[in-house]
Amino acid sequence: DQQVKQNSPSLSVQEGRISILNCDYTNSMFDYFLWYKKYPAEGPTFLISISSIKDKNEDGRFTVFLNKSAKHLSLHIVPSQPGDSAVYFCAASAVYNNDMRFGAGTRLTVKP
Amino acid sequence: NAGVTQTPKFQVLKTGQSMTLQCAQDMNHNSMYWYRQDPGMGLRLIYYSASEGTTDKGEVPNGYNVSRLNKREFSLRLESAAPSQTSVYFCAGGTGWYSNQPQHFGDGTRLSIL
Repeated sequence: DQQVKQNSPSLSVQEGRISILNCDYTNSMFDYFLWYKKYPAEGPTFLISISSIKDKNEDGRFTVFLNKSAKHLSLHIVPSQPGDSAVYFCAASAVYNNDMRFGAGTRLTVKP
Repeated sequence: NAGVTQTPKFQVLKTGQSMTLQCAQDMNHNSMYWYRQDPGMGLRLIYYSASEGTTDKGEVPNGYNVSRLNKREFSLRLESAAPSQTSVYFCAGGTGWYSNQPQHFGDGTRLSIL
């Protein structure tokens, strides 16, 4: 039962263009959402998060959008850089359930 | 500046062998977590420890035991390894579920069980 889904296993974009990574969730109890970035042979590192009381959070080149009615969030990277090439995991937590679920990840490749 | 340190980085076991994966953090986190990552599955929570002296099951606890030795250390034990436990294991530290703060991960232990 995958409560957090990233339906695109991979995404390839040109340097300088926008990267859009998508994530869907099924559990309406989730109230906090995070994106992690992972390089090979390293652990995931935190990138950006958003609370369910917001619909947008921005941090430099990274913006996360949350559509609660659609149970959908997306990560926008503008402009994309070759160093952004990594696997991106979407995660959702339900504080009062002591639970966190991760999506399967999307491998982003940014081509020079 | 170590953050979360996991040992070993790689291990090969035979079915039925036992093993303990070690995790230590120097970030003064109250909470610690063990995840496994399998292809197409993302990270799944095995066990967590909200504070020193407490442990709780996560999504996939069967076949594992944990020990929160002190605030810094949280170990994961496989008593009788099975091929289905072949995976990459990640330990993480954090300030707890209620804080809405991200977790900090170690670099993982790649475990193969033959």
